[in-house]
Amino acid sequence: AQSVAQPEDQVNVAEGNPLTVKCTYSVSGNPYLFWYVQYPNRGLQFLLKYITGDNLVKGSYGFEAEFNKSQTSFHLKKPSALVSDSALYFCAVRDYGGSQGNLIFGKGTKLSVKP
Amino acid sequence: ETGVTQTPRHLVMGMTNKKSLKCEQHLGHNAMYWYKQSAKKPLELMFVYSLEERVENNSVPSRFSPECPNSSHLFLHLHTLQPEDSALYLCASSQESPGPFNEQFFGPGTRLTVL
Repeated sequence: AQSVAQPEDQVNVAEGNPLTVKCTYSVSGNPYLFWYVQYPNRGLQFLLKYITGDNLVKGSYGFEAEFNKSQTSFHLKKPSALVSDSALYFCAVRDYGGSQGNLIFGKGTKLSVKP
Repeated sequence: ETGVTQTPRHLVMGMTNKKSLKCEQHLGHNAMYWYKQSAKKPLELMFVYSLEERVENNSVPSRFSPECPNSSHLFLHLHTLQPEDSALYLCASSQESPGPFNEQFFGPGTRLTVL
């Protein structure tokens, strides 16, 4: 069965410092991996995805993520955090060949960026 | 904005009421979804519609009844809800052809409180 783990409930970073939000996954086939962000009182917004190809994926707002097949990880990164990056971040996975619409989300990681 | 709208944004209802949540997507997508987001829990996929046919129903209680009259509109009819049904209900849409690797676009959600 597919699963996603976000081991940290909260990540605290100082503005200007690099940030990492961790995600590991488990699928039976090839994974499709996604990161979404949720700001307060808003729906989820798509940040980036890995389908195939280059292991380093670049997305919106300066975020990037690195796919590591051997470690089954897809960590979200940003070189320099902004206070406005403070939000809830969700990793999601979809198994190639899985049932249509069955996107599995992690429980979310709250990112707090302090000035 | 994401191109997916939801109304109402907030709803308070008693356990004996009947109400409906509405979702509309302006993106030309062919699949729509209902998710439930509760505090401290991963997003729960409730229903999936593809080309206006329900393709997934994740053991959702019958007090939740979805309706998809066309590819742009999705409803969630609610009746005799329980207090534990209080949550943020998110609608999403995506283009599901030719492959399952397209991101989902989310609406802002309806914050439901059941008294």
